[in-house]
Amino acid sequence: GQNIDQPTEMTATEGAIVQINCTYQTSGFNGLFWYQQHAGEAPTFLSYNVLDGLEEKGRFSSFLSRSKGYSYLLLKELQMKDSASYLCAVMDSNYQLIWGAGTKLIIKP
Amino acid sequence: GAVVSQHPSRVICKSGTSVKIECRSLDFQATTMFWYRQFPKQSLMLMATSNEGSKATYEQGVEKDKFLINHASLTLSTLTVTSAHPEDSSFYICSARDPEVNTEAFFGQGTRLTVV
Repeated sequence: GQNIDQPTEMTATEGAIVQINCTYQTSGFNGLFWYQQHAGEAPTFLSYNVLDGLEEKGRFSSFLSRSKGYSYLLLKELQMKDSASYLCAVMDSNYQLIWGAGTKLIIKP
Repeated sequence: GAVVSQHPSRVICKSGTSVKIECRSLDFQATTMFWYRQFPKQSLMLMATSNEGSKATYEQGVEKDKFLINHASLTLSTLTVTSAHPEDSSFYICSARDPEVNTEAFFGQGTRLTVV
């Protein structure tokens, strides 16, 4: 079966750095996505990785290792507005998105 | 980026009635749109894949006669929840992938359905 694992909840301090991990087992791989979702809102796109390595975009970076079935989302200089759920999703061989359950990130002052 | 508009954002209906949710791609042609349901504190669950001009493909466990999907044009897909029950209360989200930019899926704003 297909499976995406990420921690249920994480807590971090404003101004700090947090890393949210995602491991996956899917039938085929056509890229890994990270989305941010605030409560009651639709997800918004953060990043896309299809090749191994680190993609940096401002305060957010995403890393992928296809051989390990592993990705992480790194958030730097945390702000209170970063409190949200972060969803990891993998596009499988049929170009369908397989979703993780999401990681709820709580930022404390 | 591309914009997907979903309407309505919130709807309250009585048990037994039907509700239609619209999903429009505003600046690109979406040959495929996706409908998701999300219960509180849970992940997005794919309900069906909507293909323009053909029947939708439903995920296992999703009743196609209850959740009617129509994708009549390249910019519009609709989801109709028929004979709604309180257990259908959920957050429904559509998404579309711009075939020219296959690196992300664009989501509608979501529809909060409450069946009373």
